[in-house]
Amino acid sequence: GAVVSQHPSRVICKSGTSVKIECRSLDFQATTMFWYRQFPKKSLMLMATSNEGSKATYEQGVEKDKFLINHASLTLSTLTVTSAHPEDSSFYICSTTQGSGYTFGSGTRLTVV
Amino acid sequence: GQQLNQSPQSMFIQEGEDVSMNCTSSSIFNTWLWYKQEPGEGPVLLIALYKAGELTSNGRLTAQFGITRKDSFLNISASIPSDVGIYFCAGQLRGGGADGLTFGKGTHLIIQP
Repeated sequence: GAVVSQHPSRVICKSGTSVKIECRSLDFQATTMFWYRQFPKKSLMLMATSNEGSKATYEQGVEKDKFLINHASLTLSTLTVTSAHPEDSSFYICSTTQGSGYTFGSGTRLTVV
Repeated sequence: GQQLNQSPQSMFIQEGEDVSMNCTSSSIFNTWLWYKQEPGEGPVLLIALYKAGELTSNGRLTAQFGITRKDSFLNISASIPSDVGIYFCAGQLRGGGADGLTFGKGTHLIIQP
């Protein structure tokens, strides 16, 4: 089946620095990539939708200048958390579709100290 | 925005018992999905429902899509220890994979030996 590889699985960074999270689709082309955020013991919340070669669409309340999304190729989408702060600490998960199904990455646990 | 109301929030059951959880919404969804998430991992698809009234099974799991497309339930029969985890319902507003998913708040299943 479709596999999405997400890296890193865990990252700890200092407040004020930027962190990049990568999601790669293996053996298939991901035209669309969805990025979710999940706080502890909470549900997944859609942050943005990225389409290859065009600007990402952000959900209401999500700062596009803080969460930079790049989807320059059909197999790679990146989310960069810029000037990270402790409140950005969360579990970030990417997802894409192939056929009628959604495939999720394994997630990135970001801790900002 | 759309919301999925999932209940119960948590369940404490004995091994071997049957489990039932459900989701309702005020919005009509094109597709309804049930996922299981283990700690530190991305969600894994259990069952996908596409047609109103559809009843689908996957091993010990059974799910149904409500006739109005506004609700769904998931049943797990004869629970075993590996069923422990968080179960999420998720809805897709439109077909085609262009939209991200709206998730319920999850049901935390705990099995007591």
